[in-house]
Amino acid sequence: DTAVSQTPKYLVTQMGNDKSIKCEQNLGHDTMYWYKQDSKKFLKIMFSYNNKELIINETVPNRFSPKSPDKAHLNLHINSLELGDSAVYFCASQAGSSYNEQFFGPGTRLTVL
Amino acid sequence: DAKTTQPPSMDCAEGRAANLPCNHSTISGNEYVYWYRQIHSQGPQYIIHGLKNNETNEMASLIITEDRKSSTLILPHATLRDTAVYYCIVRVSYSNDMRFGAGTRLTVKP
Repeated sequence: DTAVSQTPKYLVTQMGNDKSIKCEQNLGHDTMYWYKQDSKKFLKIMFSYNNKELIINETVPNRFSPKSPDKAHLNLHINSLELGDSAVYFCASQAGSSYNEQFFGPGTRLTVL
Repeated sequence: DAKTTQPPSMDCAEGRAANLPCNHSTISGNEYVYWYRQIHSQGPQYIIHGLKNNETNEMASLIITEDRKSSTLILPHATLRDTAVYYCIVRVSYSNDMRFGAGTRLTVKP
């Protein structure tokens, strides 16, 4: 079974559209994350959710909103998509203590035309 | 979190040990050293972490110098599937914030 899964794997859309990326983890972890990897391959943290509470928000535009319906899911909703939003988005999860390892999903490649 | 410095790329012959260095000269006493890798187009994968003692698991060994200003990740018998970008990260134990740098692109050659 896949520990951290993301859908869709690829997403191609037009500027100005609203889209969502879904993430699910079946590890029973308490904390989930969203990362963005741009064309230069730098991986940057965007959000962290612990027990359905946002605990990190790395100054991303408010067009991006994480939504967690339950502990196993952390979805990323993006409004008014821009060309610069094109990137690979990774979801990750982590158990309990903050020094534990993070488990990453396979990524969603978003292309904004 | 302390900044890390890694060589941008390294090559290693298949079956030989791959030694990947990382400098973290400004590391503080409560910061751990973590290593992750990212195989092409996949999500990052945890390898190992440590505070000050050397660590070993089924994937790799982590050697941390006594002053903790640098560390080396050792893959004892590199295979072609170990070709990836390897990231050295330092972070405090109580922080969920993990900041990736540029990493080292390791190429294992036949």
